[in-house]
Amino acid sequence: NAGVTQTPKFQVLKTGQSMTLQCAQDMNHEYMSWYRQDPGMGLRLIHYSVGAGITDQGEVPNGYNVSRSTTEDFPLRLLSAAPSQTSVYFCASSYDGSNTEAFFGQGTRLTVV
Amino acid sequence: GQQVMQIPQYQHVQEGEDFTTYCNSSTTLSNIQWYKQRPGGHPVFLIQLVKSGEVKKQKRLTFQFGEAKKNSSLHITATQTTDVGTYFCAGPRNSGYALNFGKGTSLLVTP
Repeated sequence: NAGVTQTPKFQVLKTGQSMTLQCAQDMNHEYMSWYRQDPGMGLRLIHYSVGAGITDQGEVPNGYNVSRSTTEDFPLRLLSAAPSQTSVYFCASSYDGSNTEAFFGQGTRLTVV
Repeated sequence: GQQVMQIPQYQHVQEGEDFTTYCNSSTTLSNIQWYKQRPGGHPVFLIQLVKSGEVKKQKRLTFQFGEAKKNSSLHITATQTTDVGTYFCAGPRNSGYALNFGKGTSLLVTP
């Protein structure tokens, strides 16, 4: 099994550009989340989903959109990138939300110039 | 809001020394999880603690969950260079559907 797959691994955007960070898991997990990691800030929750068609905001949702059309995929969209969104983004999935271990993707390192 | 605090932020030890990181929550937790992230890598699950006062061991790593289920610790005995990385604790968010992570403790081990 591949687990959680994120693409791309690296990306440079210009301010105002849009892009989608892809996340796919093959473990049939209902729960998926997006986190951003900044130096000294730990992992902060952006959005999460408890199943296909259901999403909710986390701690830092502004500037990001998500959708969950299938169990496997949970893309994160930046509609108009800003330098403050320069970060490392991690997608995670779990079998039972916060009651079971989270499996993380390899991360996407995004730089907005 | 719900917070998970972790100290220290950094720790630099000589190989063979012990290391401890502490995690405190503002609310009672149903469980607490620990993750390790190697430099340049992604967080990897280490363990989950569920019971009040629980102690679990994984080789040189000892994990504890406080009696009040609001604090936890990770202790590494006789550190090795392979222990280098950032250790995160995480507790359930109020919704229960995702995790709140502490800011992590970055461990540097010099030979």
